[in-house]
Amino acid sequence: GAGVSQTPSNKVTEKGKYVELRCDPISGHTALYWYRQSLGQGPEFLIYFQGTGAADDSGLPNDRFFAVRPEGSVSTLKIQRTERGDSAVYLCASGQPQETQYFGPGTRLLVL
Amino acid sequence: GENVEQHPSTLSVQEGDSAVIKCTYSDSASNYFPWYKQELGKGPQLIIDIRSNVGEKKDQRIAVTLNKTAKHFSLHITETQPEDSAVYFCAANSNSGGSNYKLTFGKGTLLTVNP
Repeated sequence: GAGVSQTPSNKVTEKGKYVELRCDPISGHTALYWYRQSLGQGPEFLIYFQGTGAADDSGLPNDRFFAVRPEGSVSTLKIQRTERGDSAVYLCASGQPQETQYFGPGTRLLVL
Repeated sequence: GENVEQHPSTLSVQEGDSAVIKCTYSDSASNYFPWYKQELGKGPQLIIDIRSNVGEKKDQRIAVTLNKTAKHFSLHITETQPEDSAVYFCAANSNSGGSNYKLTFGKGTLLTVNP
C-alpha cells in the first residue's frame, strides 16, 4: 500500500519567507508526528497529533513554527519568518497510537 | 527527558561478517526501542523493534537485545551484505506522564559493508 508522502521533496527559500510543508499519512492512521533532522543527527521530535488535535507540541522550537491537521488526515507544518538555522530535513511519520511510526521521505528545506 | 547514546558513529565490515551497534538510554520508564535504517536521501525505515517485556528478538539476519537493568540495547546484523550499507538509528520512547509516543533518537551509525 501507499506509504507516507511528503511534499515538496525539496524547498529552497530566502530568509524571512513563509513556508508550508505537507504530509499525507498512511490511510487510517490516527497518529501523526513531525520530526526535524539536521545533517549528521538523528530525527528530533517536533509535534504529535492524535486525530485533529495537537496532543503534544513541546518539540516546536519557537512560535514561528505551527502545524495543523484540520480533518485528521493531511497535516501541514508552517514556518514563519524562516531563518538559516531552520534548514534541515523535516520528516513526517504516521501510525496507530503507541504503535510503530512509519516515516515519509522528508522535505529538505534550505533557507538562504 | 530521555537521552540516547549510540556507538560507534561509523562501522566498516567485510561482506559476510557481523555488525553490532550499541545504544544506551537514560529514562528507566522507556519501554519501546525501535531501530531504523536510513539510506541516502530517504526517510528512516523500521527494521526491527523490541518492547521491554522481552530480552531478545530476531528477524532473519537481524536481532536486537535489551538489558533493562543496564539500560542498553544492541542491534546485531549477521552475514552482512553490501545492501546493508546505510545509517542506522536506535530510538527509545519517552514514557512519562502517559506520553509514550515521543521517540528520542541516537545520532546514528554509518555502516559500510565492503564487498
